[in-house]
Amino acid sequence: GDSVTQMEGPVTLSEEACLTINCTYTATGYPSLFWYVQYPGEGLQLLLKATKADDKGSNKGFEATYRKETTSFHLEKGSVQVSDSAVYFCALSGTTSGTYKYIFGTGTRLKVLA
Amino acid sequence: DVKVTQSSRYLVKRTGEKVFLECVQDMDHENMFWYRQDPGLGLRLIYFSYDVKMKEKGDIPEGYSVSREKKERFSLILESASTNQTSMYLCASSLRLNQPQHFGDGTRLSIL
Repeated sequence: GDSVTQMEGPVTLSEEACLTINCTYTATGYPSLFWYVQYPGEGLQLLLKATKADDKGSNKGFEATYRKETTSFHLEKGSVQVSDSAVYFCALSGTTSGTYKYIFGTGTRLKVLA
Repeated sequence: DVKVTQSSRYLVKRTGEKVFLECVQDMDHENMFWYRQDPGLGLRLIYFSYDVKMKEKGDIPEGYSVSREKKERFSLILESASTNQTSMYLCASSLRLNQPQHFGDGTRLSIL
């Protein structure tokens, strides 16, 4: 069945370091892909999205490219800040044989040190 | 901005009780969702609703039911609470099924 796999955390970085959080997916059809962020004590917020192959989503300095050939949607940021400390979730949505699916990865906790 | 409001941030109930979790959205969204979030398991879909009085089972519906009598309100019901239902519950809404979801802040439910 459809699934999302993302790298296990926690990921600990110093401020201004480069970030990559890996996400790969398994899906039939052409799903839409998302990254959500969850700050402590809050629900999830959409960070960025991509709806078709080769689309690049971007927001707040974060980027991710929908790679159909490698079934990946890795999250990247060139220079992280302490305020980026949060849990990041990769997700896909789509329909398979008329059945709707919205699947989340297990989340990757990022801690950025000053 | 879309606002999804969950009625309680923290809730403590006893085994066997009937528990209601309420969720309200203010953006006239067609679709509403209930998830539970557990460490190491991410978010798992319990039920979703694509219209008033319509519902679909998600991946883990056992032990839960839902009610959507009005477009803006989606209730999750634990018919007879058990300790393995202790979790964080998140409600979400979206305009279309494949579009991004807007989440509430969650209800942390403890069943003793």
